[in-house]
Amino acid sequence: DSGVTQTPKHLITATGQRVTLRCSPRSGDLSVYWYQQSLDQGLQFLIQYYNGEERAKGNILERFSAQQFPDLHSELNLSSLELGDSALYFCASSDGLKTYEQYFGPGTRLTVT
Amino acid sequence: DQQVKQNSPSLSVQEGRISILNCDYTNSMFDYFLWYKKYPAEGPTFLISISSIKDKNEDGRFTVFLNKSAKHLSLHIVPSQPGDSAVYFCAAREGSGNTPLVFGKGTRLSVIA
Repeated sequence: DSGVTQTPKHLITATGQRVTLRCSPRSGDLSVYWYQQSLDQGLQFLIQYYNGEERAKGNILERFSAQQFPDLHSELNLSSLELGDSALYFCASSDGLKTYEQYFGPGTRLTVT
Repeated sequence: DQQVKQNSPSLSVQEGRISILNCDYTNSMFDYFLWYKKYPAEGPTFLISISSIKDKNEDGRFTVFLNKSAKHLSLHIVPSQPGDSAVYFCAAREGSGNTPLVFGKGTRLSVIA
């Protein structure tokens, strides 16, 4: 158990809809990262937050947004969903200080029908 | 444009033998490399890492070798066990602080009893 939790585990929704994925980092970790894994692809970095502020952005679509709250949990919002958004979405956290290792949650499997 | 490449999608090894997983990278600014293991329906689990100032790091049955001139790293597992069967991801980062990881597409290792 990495200590990173993600909810929900599975999500099935229709095209055009909006969903919110939630992540709670390990206790004490200030950095939260969101990654997307599509079929047969590696993990693609979406966005990073550090202590409530956006730190880095990857190939995140404009239809996607995220935030990190004062209690350090993070939410990834996906809107105007398309079939191609179906993927595994992982959240990872790190302490943001002395280690480079990131610890991953179990992921949310999103299916857009 | 893949900066981290794992050219072997899959690998089969007999139990007790050595497993060698390879990874190539193109970005000479990468200064830290990590290997993650992923079981189905779980998030990636950190396995071992290496700084660019080293050429070898060992942790039990797992050893990572880094050849900076060739921009190549490899993960050796000796001896291989059936429980090692998983997808292995190579990842890299650059710069100071906690920056996002760049992942390869993964290699599926099957250890046959």
